[in-house]
Amino acid sequence: EADIYQTPRYLVIGTGKKITLECSQTMGHDKMYWYQQDPGMELHLIHYSYGVNSTEKGDLSSESTVSRIRTEHFPLTLESARPSHTSQYLCASSGLGRNSPLHFGNGTRLTVT
Amino acid sequence: GDSVTQMEGPVTLSEEAFLTINCTYTATGYPSLFWYVQYPGEGLQLLLKATKADDKGSNKGFEATYRKETTSFHLEKGSVQVSDSAVYFCALGNTGKLIFGQGTTLQVKP
Repeated sequence: EADIYQTPRYLVIGTGKKITLECSQTMGHDKMYWYQQDPGMELHLIHYSYGVNSTEKGDLSSESTVSRIRTEHFPLTLESARPSHTSQYLCASSGLGRNSPLHFGNGTRLTVT
Repeated sequence: GDSVTQMEGPVTLSEEAFLTINCTYTATGYPSLFWYVQYPGEGLQLLLKATKADDKGSNKGFEATYRKETTSFHLEKGSVQVSDSAVYFCALGNTGKLIFGQGTTLQVKP
């Protein structure tokens, strides 16, 4: 059973709308991550956080933004959705140890029409 | 920089066949190595890990050995089942962030 929760699972929305993808974890993990997964299944890190009030951009440039006001919550926001944002978004968390594995949510599949 | 390369898929096998998915890496220092699995419609799950050279990770019949001399971490299973059909990701942890391979799709036919 997942200890990291993403909502919604599926979202279809029109161009120009503002959206927020929710991610919460109950494991007390300090590190949290957002990945974008393309149709070929490759994962791209777009944002990460090492704790409250800490956010960093990942390896893939993204027009989205994130916030980390509470340890357990790491929402991702798109101010103005575009068809190019259509993708699967995966949230993950881990402990602070260098070798700590990632725990993933089940993802949000976003379609922008 | 650090990188992970996996064999390209899809890999299609019959039930009870032997599985190998190749993974090689490039890294400085002493990385940890992981295999993750993603079943359809789900997020990734940790399958197994190894934290130093010659370590063998194992879980659910899958195994992988950390080979520093060949910079490899190949995933193996002696007898696959239809339920093993999924996407498998090799990953490297070295600087606090995980670097994933591109994923290999496995399809097991009855």
